Amino acid sequence: QSALTQPASVSGSPGQSITISCTGTSSDVGAYNYVSWYQHHPGKAPKLIISEVTNRPSGVSDRFSGSKSGNTASLTISGLQAEDEADYFCNAFTGTNPYYVFGAGTRVTVL
Amino acid sequence: QVQLQESGPGLVKPSQTLSLTCTVSGGSVTSGHYYWSWIRQPAGKELEWIGRIYTTGSTIYSPSLKSRVTISIDASRSQFSLRLSSVTAEDTAVYYCARLVDAKLFDYWGRGTPVTVSS
Repeated sequence: QSALTQPASVSGSPGQSITISCTGTSSDVGAYNYVSWYQHHPGKAPKLIISEVTNRPSGVSDRFSGSKSGNTASLTISGLQAEDEADYFCNAFTGTNPYYVFGAGTRVTVL
Repeated sequence: QVQLQESGPGLVKPSQTLSLTCTVSGGSVTSGHYYWSWIRQPAGKELEWIGRIYTTGSTIYSPSLKSRVTISIDASRSQFSLRLSSVTAEDTAVYYCARLVDAKLFDYWGRGTPVTVSS
C-alpha cells in the first residue's frame, strides 16, 4: 500500500484561506469515507480535526473543513490564524492489510 | 480527557529488540469500541501503521513488519506495549501510540517518542 501524497508546505497570510490536498488511490481515499486529518504542533500529540472526510469533532474550530473528490481529499483552513501554524497530515482506511495509510504531512506557515 | 504516553529507551543497538510501552489515562483499555495501535514516522517520511490490539489480546500487524512485531496489552496497568525485534537503522523513527475507534479512526494520540537505532 502506498502512502498518501501531500504537499510539503503551504503558506498564507492571516485571514486568508488555504487548502491542503491528500491524494491516494481507489483502494483507500477513493474507496471509503474514512479520511481523517490531524493537526500536529511539534512536541505535542497530534490532534484530530476532521474525521470521516467532513466531520469536525466537538471543540474543533469551524474554520477547518474537509472534502473529497475521487481519490483526493482536501483540508481547508479559512481565516488563517497564527495558531494554525503546524504540521497537518491525512490518514485513510484501506479495507485490506495494511489497513491504514498516512501522508507525510504538510507544514503550514502563517506569513 | 483521554491521554496516551509512550515510554521506553531512546537508543537501541542494531539487531536488538526495541521495546516501548504506552500508558493510557482518562479511559479504559478494556472499552469495547476501541483498539490500540502503534504508528511510527521516520524523519522526513510518511507515518507508517505498525499494528493494533484489541482488549481481548487479538492483534493485527502490518505485513511489512509482521515477522518482527509483537503488541501486547496489560489491562491491569492500563498499558499496551510494542516489541520490534532485529532492528536496523531503518527502524529509527518517532514512535506513536494511538487509540483507534471502531477500527476506522485514530482519535487520540501520544506525543511520540524518538527511537534511534545505532551502535
